[in-house]
Amino acid sequence: EAGVAQSPRYKIIEKRQSVAFWCNPISGHATLYWYQQILGQGPKLLIQFQNNGVVDDSQLPKDRFSAERLKGVDSTLKIQPAKLEDSAVYLCASSENRGLNYEQYFGPGTRLTVT
Amino acid sequence: DQQVKQNSPSLSVQEGRISILNCDYTNSMFDYFLWYKKYPAEGPTFLISISSIKDKNEDGRFTVFLNKSAKHLSLHIVPSQPGDSAVYFCAASRSNFGNEKLTFGTGTRLTIIP
Repeated sequence: EAGVAQSPRYKIIEKRQSVAFWCNPISGHATLYWYQQILGQGPKLLIQFQNNGVVDDSQLPKDRFSAERLKGVDSTLKIQPAKLEDSAVYLCASSENRGLNYEQYFGPGTRLTVT
Repeated sequence: DQQVKQNSPSLSVQEGRISILNCDYTNSMFDYFLWYKKYPAEGPTFLISISSIKDKNEDGRFTVFLNKSAKHLSLHIVPSQPGDSAVYFCAASRSNFGNEKLTFGTGTRLTIIP
């Protein structure tokens, strides 16, 4: 079974530029998550999708971050314009939409450096 | 507000000995707890979980203990192996059903000394 795919793996941009990250979840997983992990901290949930609807985006800085999940499969996270404090690893995860003791499967992440 | 805390940023243990990683939480609504392991340049991978109705869950060399009254959980690895060297994250959610949001701790870097 293929895992969660993310691209690019690394990105370096200047502040005020824009950037987009792509995620392809595990086939059949209805729920998709985007996390931000700043160096020395644990992952922080930015947005959670159930199919193509948003379940939780309470910690997404909506003035600069946006995300979409068209057709309930792939997802894109965009930052525009980027700030220095956006430097982090952006992790995508997916999980099935049923049952107890569910598990979130993470992709390898995209490391963003804003200079 | 750090609702899940891992107060030890790093831990070094001799190969073959027991590794004990600790985690504290403040939110009494948390009902389900997980441990994730992360190698460099990879995403976190699920290791073991425990529901609040239990105080212990075991899976091979890994055991998680939960003390609800103290809002404390720990992960025991016995015996420790070099491949266990990684960053370990404790995470918590309000339910083990469906897709509840996970709140992560800051992680503990475990180094196993051969």
